Amino acid sequence: SQQGEEDPQALSIQEGENATMNCSYKTSINNLQWYRQNSGRGLVHLILIRSNEREKHSGRLRVTLDTSKKSSSLLITASRAADTASYFCATDGRDDKIIFGKGTRLHILP
Amino acid sequence: GAGVSQSPSNKVTEKGKDVELRCDPISGHTALYWYRQSLGQGLEFLIYFQGNSAPDKSGLPSDRFSAERTGGSVSTLTIQRTQQEDSAVYLCASSSTTPGTQYFGPGTRLTVL
Repeated sequence: SQQGEEDPQALSIQEGENATMNCSYKTSINNLQWYRQNSGRGLVHLILIRSNEREKHSGRLRVTLDTSKKSSSLLITASRAADTASYFCATDGRDDKIIFGKGTRLHILP
Repeated sequence: GAGVSQSPSNKVTEKGKDVELRCDPISGHTALYWYRQSLGQGLEFLIYFQGNSAPDKSGLPSDRFSAERTGGSVSTLTIQRTQQEDSAVYLCASSSTTPGTQYFGPGTRLTVL
């Protein structure tokens, strides 16, 4: 069964607005990662946050992690057309296996 | 340097035939993962290789699926007696640390007629 579950399943926003996606998971984790996928092919790593970290930034990306609620959020600020993609969270636990959620499809409207 | 490569990029086969999908990881990466993604869905974990350890096969959906990794490098995913529900994109990823950032190949789109 899948560990992470993203919310919402789909999101459409106007270019320039901020986009927020959430990920919830069930069991203890070591790390949580966010990936982007364009056109249903290979995924690209965006950011990794460790279980002892609460927030991390990378360019226009901001990731938060709340281990007490077993949830994470990905914020993309000042969205651009090129941000249109599917976004997945991935978690790893004691067995080092990395499990992905079902993803959020983000559509940036011109 | 070269990224993860997969071949073929597309494969169309008839129900009941066997198929082999190949993954060339990034040189030096000790961990290799196979995932399956059906249209519009998330990634389904299939199998995980780490160095010389026994692979984690817990995600393989049936005994028709098998995978091997030769010499700690190239991996082949074999699906025997393919079924229509096997149609999906099969993605391979490798990483240098376990667990760590995964580098994905472009995938193989398998269509079973």
